[in-house]
Amino acid sequence: DGGITQSPKYLFRKEGQNVTLSCEQNLNHDAMYWYRQDPGQGLRLIYYSQIVNDFQKGDIAEGYSVSREKKESFPLTVTSAQKNPTAFYLCASSSAPGGTGELFFGEGSRLTVL
Amino acid sequence: GQQVMQIPQYQHVQEGEDFTTYCNSSTTLSNIQWYKQRPGGHPVFLIQLVKSGEVKKQKRLTFQFGEAKKNSSLHITATQTTDVGTYFCAGWEYGNKLVFGAGTILRVKS
Repeated sequence: DGGITQSPKYLFRKEGQNVTLSCEQNLNHDAMYWYRQDPGQGLRLIYYSQIVNDFQKGDIAEGYSVSREKKESFPLTVTSAQKNPTAFYLCASSSAPGGTGELFFGEGSRLTVL
Repeated sequence: GQQVMQIPQYQHVQEGEDFTTYCNSSTTLSNIQWYKQRPGGHPVFLIQLVKSGEVKKQKRLTFQFGEAKKNSSLHITATQTTDVGTYFCAGWEYGNKLVFGAGTILRVKS
């Protein structure tokens, strides 16, 4: 089945540690996105990539980093510089970069900082 | 930058009552999308509206896009318990970003 796979589903981290969230898609989509979801605040865009080897900062990129070395993969690293990393992280992809395509979401990764 | 405001934040209805959520953008949108997120799940695409004044229906759900392409609404007729979840609007900024509203949480009492 085609879709987006995020891992891990749950992750616990100590303060000061970096952690990488995986996002893999087999939909052959060019565009991929990372969103952060906090209660009552909807989805906020962290980073997005419209094509391999290129990505742009979203609205809340500070403390995060990404790479896009392969079309199907868009990992997100939450660094120790992120002040409040506990959140639900959603990866998404779209077949229409920069335009009108619907987003397909993974099941999310819930990060808790202890 | 672009902001998308969504109201109400929360609504609790009796099964069979109608429900409406409203979405307003600070800028003109190229199009608007609606997503539903079930409790504990991830957002799932419902529909996209592109034309000024467009109205689309999906069974008991009616979606509207304003004439100025800056506002939209989702109306559910005769809610059912399966309608429970958070409904998000999301507007494409002319360019590359899809900006989400904060969502409306719908609870249905049977």
